[in-house]
Amino acid sequence: SQQGEEDPQALSIQEGENATMNCSYKTSINNLQWYRQNSGRGLVHLILIRSNEREKHSGRLRVTLDTSKKSSSLLITASRAADTASYFCATAPMDSSYKLIFGSGTRLLVRP
Amino acid sequence: DAGITQSPRHKVTETGTPVTLRCHQTENHRYMYWYRQDPGHGLRLIHYSYGVKDTDKGEVSDGYSVSRSKTEDFLLTLESATSSQTSVYFCAIRNQGSLETQYFGPGTRLLVL
Repeated sequence: SQQGEEDPQALSIQEGENATMNCSYKTSINNLQWYRQNSGRGLVHLILIRSNEREKHSGRLRVTLDTSKKSSSLLITASRAADTASYFCATAPMDSSYKLIFGSGTRLLVRP
Repeated sequence: DAGITQSPRHKVTETGTPVTLRCHQTENHRYMYWYRQDPGHGLRLIHYSYGVKDTDKGEVSDGYSVSRSKTEDFLLTLESATSSQTSVYFCAIRNQGSLETQYFGPGTRLLVL
């Protein structure tokens, strides 16, 4: 399989705590993206980081990328109950960046 | 949602019957995609299209065919449905702007008995 792996598969934290999710992938990439999926809904794009970038911020989201280790992490700071969802990383391969390869996702539960 | 709709939203069918799922977009995007989502597998690409009548296979294309006769419609057909094709199917389009992101439809939940 070309899919990457996400770690952990599930995460339960208290509101206000930080949540960190990790993603590993296998191929050389053009960019890496993170998506969120609320239960029963389609995926929504959160943030994109290019292969020549190491860190990116968007609101309470911080993404890092280490291309030498083929890994990325998503940090959600000061989590809220509304952040409860599944989070997926997706990589755009260098040789076919119009396609995305999705990881298996991390289910995040934020307890009020 | 980038004007993406999927129909039907839910379908129950029997093994061996043909099934067609429709994805419709209103914003003239060139690239369209069909994925399936199963527990433990994330999303897997079935087929994609890069223009009218231009399609190609994805990672899990066996048992599926697609057609795109108009820019706005991308059809996914299961010629003879099997229980292993029970899944949630998502259509997506690729943002034609500077960000190579994808926008997803609401999904179709298919149960093959």
